[in-house]
Amino acid sequence: AQSVTQLGSHVSVSEGALVLLRCNYSSSVPPYLFWYVQYPNQGLQLLLKYTTGATLVKGINGFEAEFKKSETSFHLTKPSAHMSDAAEYFCAVTVTGNQFYFGTGTSLTVIP
Amino acid sequence: SQTIHQWPATLVQPVGSPLSLECTVEGTSNPNLYWYRQAAGRGLQLLFYSVGIGQISSEVPQNLSASRPQDRQFILSSKKLLLSDSGFYLCAWSVLGGGANEQFFGPGTRLTVL
Repeated sequence: AQSVTQLGSHVSVSEGALVLLRCNYSSSVPPYLFWYVQYPNQGLQLLLKYTTGATLVKGINGFEAEFKKSETSFHLTKPSAHMSDAAEYFCAVTVTGNQFYFGTGTSLTVIP
Repeated sequence: SQTIHQWPATLVQPVGSPLSLECTVEGTSNPNLYWYRQAAGRGLQLLFYSVGIGQISSEVPQNLSASRPQDRQFILSSKKLLLSDSGFYLCAWSVLGGGANEQFFGPGTRLTVL
C-alpha cells in the first residue's frame, strides 16, 4: 500500500520568502506523485505532478517540486511567496491511477 | 473539455434526516468516481470510489452509502444523518485505469448537521 506524510500542518512565511512544503511518500513500486492546492470552500486544483522522466517538475503559479527517490520525498517549493498563495496544500500518491492516497494537508499562511 | 458538477453547494440538515448529494461529470466516459469528506481542519477522507456503473467500493464503514446509477453520475446518500457527518464533501473523477493521470475535483458541498 502507498501512503503520504506531510510534515508540518501549518507553515507561515513572509511575503517574498521561500515557500517549502514537505511531502514524503511510501510505495513499494514507482509512484506517481501530485500536489494540489485548495482555497477556502473550493475543490482541489492540481498544481503539478510527477510521472516519469525529469525529476524536477514545474507547475502553475511558480511552484515546483523535485522527486527524490533516495529520500522518498516530493517537496513543494516556490522562490517568492505571494499573498495569493495562502491556501491548503495536499500531496498525493498513486501507483494504479485508481486509488489515490492523500496527505493530511499543510495550511500555508503568508505574512505581509 | 471535462467538467464536474456537485449540488447542492451548501446544505443544513437536522440530525436524523436523510441525505442525497449528487455529482455529475461531463466530457468524459467511463471515469473512476470518488467521494471524499473533509472535516474541519482535517485532511481528505476517501469514502467511496467506483470504477463502473453499479460498482462501489467503500473505504470507511459508516452510515453513508453511494450509488452510481449512470456512467457519469455518482450519488452519496444517508438514511439518517449524524452530527459527525458534518463536513465538506468533494466528488472527484479520474481516467479509468489512468496510471499517471490526476484526479479532478468538483467544487464541493458544505454539509452542516444540526
